[in-house]
Amino acid sequence: RKEVEQDPGPFNVPEGATVAFNCTYSNSASQSFFWYRQDCRKEPKLLMSVYSSGNEDGRFTAQLNRASQYISLLIRDSKLSDSATYLCVVNIAGGFKTIFGAGTRLFVKA
Amino acid sequence: EPEVTQTPSHQVTQMGQEVILRCVPISNHLYFYWYRQILGQKVEFLVSFYNNEISEKSEIFDDQFSVERPDGSNFTLKIRSTKLEDSAMYFCASSEAAGGFSQPQHFGDGTRLSIL
Repeated sequence: RKEVEQDPGPFNVPEGATVAFNCTYSNSASQSFFWYRQDCRKEPKLLMSVYSSGNEDGRFTAQLNRASQYISLLIRDSKLSDSATYLCVVNIAGGFKTIFGAGTRLFVKA
Repeated sequence: EPEVTQTPSHQVTQMGQEVILRCVPISNHLYFYWYRQILGQKVEFLVSFYNNEISEKSEIFDDQFSVERPDGSNFTLKIRSTKLEDSAMYFCASSEAAGGFSQPQHFGDGTRLSIL
């Protein structure tokens, strides 16, 4: 089983749509969780941290379910600029080892 | 906004040669990381570094690789005897604290390494 698993997509959605991505992780020692976005041939950029109680940042909502080892990202009112690959990221070993999912590609169309 | 800077942006090297990739982390950050991303594949963890020593390394980070913080600002990745399969984008990242404290990592824009 992969350490961090994501649906690769692509997700093709119209502007204004709501889209949700899921991620599962296998290591129960995972301690902290993040969503990053990566544009083509660019560096990963932090989108948001994921907290146990769930958290929201504008149009983005992240949820964590430690019992099921599952993380989600919800994007509301999609914009063309949201088109990117969304990376689920997990830290283990006291934070010194970081595992990236392979990413989910999102295309938002006008 | 402070950022992680990496040099060079693109490095072309003959197979078998040694390369040094350079990074200047954000100034008040204490934890440093190197990752690689082969074209079309996922970002892979190589190594983390704290307090002048390696904290964790992946199975990819074998004797061919080494890291160093030669002065107060630079953080380098050395790859010896480069192979064709070392061709990839290499990202440096830094954070204020280890991710276990929910501190995210900030990434440089990468060095594209091409081995000929």
